[in-house]
Amino acid sequence: DSGVTQTPKHLITATGQRVTLRCSPRSGDLSVYWYQQSLDQGLQFLIQYYNGEERAKGNILERFSAQQFPDLHSELNLSSLELGDSALYFCASSVGAGGGYNEQFFGPGTRLTVL
Amino acid sequence: ELKVEQNPLFLSMQEGKNYTIYCNYSTTSDRLYWYRQDPGKSLESLFVLLSNGAVKQEGRLMASLDTKARLSTLHITAAVHDLSATYFCALARGGKLTFGQGTILTVHP
Repeated sequence: DSGVTQTPKHLITATGQRVTLRCSPRSGDLSVYWYQQSLDQGLQFLIQYYNGEERAKGNILERFSAQQFPDLHSELNLSSLELGDSALYFCASSVGAGGGYNEQFFGPGTRLTVL
Repeated sequence: ELKVEQNPLFLSMQEGKNYTIYCNYSTTSDRLYWYRQDPGKSLESLFVLLSNGAVKQEGRLMASLDTKARLSTLHITAAVHDLSATYFCALARGGKLTFGQGTILTVHP
């Protein structure tokens, strides 16, 4: 158990809908990262927040957005869902902002299925 | 753009045999990680390699890093069934991890 929690574990929804995935980082970690794992694209970095501020952005679609709240938990919002958005979404956390030795610890993931 | 390539992508091994997974990358990075993933599960960190010539071992797995060749290897010694999983290498630059495609390892009796 990494100490990173994600809810829900599974989510099944329909095309065109909007969902919110939630992540709580390990105690003391200030950075939260979101990754998407799909058969087509593999494991891809989406976005990073550090202490409430967006720090780095990857291949995140415009239909997707994220935020980190004052208590450091983070939410990833996915809207206008398409079949291709079906994937496993991981959250990771780390102590620092990046660079140097700053290991990321991964949560259990949320499996999203879009029908 | 940083590219990370693993090979092989599929590896079927007999128990007791040795094999190596290769991870090539295109540009410099802060550090290199190896992860294990069981089906439908999260990523488990195996090794972090920080500098050229770094070698780390845990049980039947040994990882090494050659930054000049931009190559890391994960060597499996005397494979056992419990090692069956998908193995990823990942490079860190700043806060972002860039992953290889993953190597699906199956160990047969």
